[in-house]
Amino acid sequence: GQQVMQIPQYQHVQEGEDFTTYCNSSTTLSNIQWYKQRPGGHPVFLIQLVKSGEVKKQKRLTFQFGEAKKNSSLHITATQTTDVGTYFCAGRGFQKLVFGTGTRLLVSP
Amino acid sequence: DGGITQSPKYLFRKEGQNVTLSCEQNLNHDAMYWYRQDPGQGLRLIYYSQIVNDFQKGDIAEGYSVSREKKESFPLTVTSAQKNPTAFYLCASSIRQGAGNTIYFGEGSWLTVV
Repeated sequence: GQQVMQIPQYQHVQEGEDFTTYCNSSTTLSNIQWYKQRPGGHPVFLIQLVKSGEVKKQKRLTFQFGEAKKNSSLHITATQTTDVGTYFCAGRGFQKLVFGTGTRLLVSP
Repeated sequence: DGGITQSPKYLFRKEGQNVTLSCEQNLNHDAMYWYRQDPGQGLRLIYYSQIVNDFQKGDIAEGYSVSREKKESFPLTVTSAQKNPTAFYLCASSIRQGAGNTIYFGEGSWLTVV
């Protein structure tokens, strides 16, 4: 079945450093979504990418969908303590939306 | 306010007991979902429903049951057959089940088996 893996599983950075999480699917995706879950909270939708090679930005966050539509990345420039949480990608294959394993980000001031 | 309401937020269950988690949405969404999240883990799909009176098994349906008698309600029963039920349960909904639909999550229910 379709699997979506994310790396790294966990990253601890100093405030101001950059952060990137990578998402890889075993199958070609029709689209990919990104969610953020704050500690103790629930996942909240960030963005959706649909086109091959698509790049979208939200302030300090840059999202990219791979040319083959099998991978994606989220890059945060100059992290802040408010960026703490777990970032999930969710890839839609044939029918289902499959969530990645998540990357937990910890930011020290 | 529009959204998804889950209850209870915290629940303790004795081994061998069934327990039902409530999920209500007032977003007028057709599709509803139940996910399970274990500490430090991703989200795994238990059941989903695309329309009233219809639901499908997800990846880890064993030991769980659901019903969808009303559009706004999608309760999950964790039965005694579920071997390791202690987890964080998230209910979610989307306009419909298909490409391009954002999933909105409730605040979750923590279930602990004692």
